Amino acid sequence: GAGVSQSPSNKVTEKGKDVELRCDPISGHTALYWYRQSLGQGLEFLIYFQGNSAPDKSGLPSDRFSAERTGGSVSTLTIQRTQQEDSAVYLCASSQRQTYEQYFGPGTRLTVT
Amino acid sequence: TQLLEQSPQFLSIQEGENLTVYCNSSSVFSSLQWYRQEPGEGPVLLVTVVTGGEVKKLKRLTFQFGDARKDSSLHITAAQPGDTGLYLCAGPVGSTLGRLYFGRGTQLTVWP
Repeated sequence: GAGVSQSPSNKVTEKGKDVELRCDPISGHTALYWYRQSLGQGLEFLIYFQGNSAPDKSGLPSDRFSAERTGGSVSTLTIQRTQQEDSAVYLCASSQRQTYEQYFGPGTRLTVT
Repeated sequence: TQLLEQSPQFLSIQEGENLTVYCNSSSVFSSLQWYRQEPGEGPVLLVTVVTGGEVKKLKRLTFQFGDARKDSSLHITAAQPGDTGLYLCAGPVGSTLGRLYFGRGTQLTVWP
C-alpha cells in the first residue's frame, strides 16, 4: 500500500514568511508525528497526534510553530515568520495505535534565506 | 541530556569489516527500535526488540537488547557499501503510547 507522503519535497522561503508543510499518513494509522532534523543531527520531536486525543505539543520550539490534523488523517505543520534557524528537514511519521513502530515519509527540506 | 546515547557518533570502515554500534540509557525501556536512514529519505524501521536479553538477526545484522532493558547493540558482519547510513535507536518511555525518544544516531560509512 501507499506509504507516508509529504509535500512539498523542497521549500525555499524568505525570512519572515509563513510556510505550510503537509503530511498524508498511511491509511488506517491513528498516530501521526512531526520531527525536525538538522544537517547531520538526529531527530527532534515536535508534535504527536493520537486519534481524537489532545496532541502532545511538548516538542514545539516556539509559538511560531503549530500543527493540526484534520479528520484524523492529513496533517499540516505551519511555521509563522520563518527564521534562518528553522532551516531543516521536517519529517512526518505515522503508526498504528497499538504499536510504537513508525513509518516515515521522505521529508520536506525547508530552506529559509 | 540525551535519553538515549549512541556510540560511536561516526564510523568509517572498509567493506568486509565487522562493526558494533551501541545505544545506552539510564532508563528502562519496554522496547527498543533500530532505524536506518539513507540520505534524502526518512528513517526505515529495521527491528523492534522487546524482551531483555533478546537477540534478533536480520541477514548480516544482529540486534541485542540488554538484560536490564537499558541498552541495545547492533552488530554488522562483513559490512557492505549498501549498509552506509545513519543508524538510529529509539524507544518509548513511560506510558505515553506512541511517543518515541530517538538517539542522535551513528553515521556509518562503508567504503568499497
